[in-house]
Amino acid sequence: DAGVIQSPRHEVTEMGQEVTLRCKPISGHDYLFWYRQTMMRGLELLIYFNNNVPIDDSGMPEDRFSAKMPNASFSTLKIQPSEPRDSAVYFCASSLRRGTYEQYFGPGTRLTVT
Amino acid sequence: GESVGLHLPTLSVQEGDNSIINCAYSNSASDYFIWYKQESGKGPQFIIDIRSNMDKRQGQRVTVLLNKTVKHLSLQIAATQPGDSAVYFCAEKVGYSTLTFGKGTMLLVSP
Repeated sequence: DAGVIQSPRHEVTEMGQEVTLRCKPISGHDYLFWYRQTMMRGLELLIYFNNNVPIDDSGMPEDRFSAKMPNASFSTLKIQPSEPRDSAVYFCASSLRRGTYEQYFGPGTRLTVT
Repeated sequence: GESVGLHLPTLSVQEGDNSIINCAYSNSASDYFIWYKQESGKGPQFIIDIRSNMDKRQGQRVTVLLNKTVKHLSLQIAATQPGDSAVYFCAEKVGYSTLTFGKGTMLLVSP
């Protein structure tokens, strides 16, 4: 298995632009998580899905952030409009069991908003 | 090792030494704990887990110890190698909640 796949690996954009991050979870995993990692705040859970349905989006910082999972093999995290404070590494992870046990992380997308 | 502000706690060891990375968790109701390793430029990678009904679990070269009395978790790495250099995170869970991650400890292994 290729593991969790994320694209792009690096994204540099200007403030105000729309940014879309993509994730393909491990086949057969029922849970998908989006995290944001910064030095100041560490690893923060933004949202997670179970069987393509959003379960908890309480970590989404504001309405500029949205996430979708149209099918079991694809999810997007969108930021519109982007701001410099959104600069971070965004990770997608998937999990086979009840969503709270071992999670397999993708390589991350490093986002820089100038 | 929880971090404060911008600076991660750092543990520097020599190759071949045993390393002990510590984590103080916050919730006495936490019933499951995981250690992750994150190498530079990569996502976190599962190392070992432990349930709250255990106080010790061993893997390959790694041992996790859990002291629920003082809410303390430690990761012991035997015969540390340069490839063990990374940031190590502990994470805790309560019931069916999601994992809560600590801010991590950086392990530096010199040859």
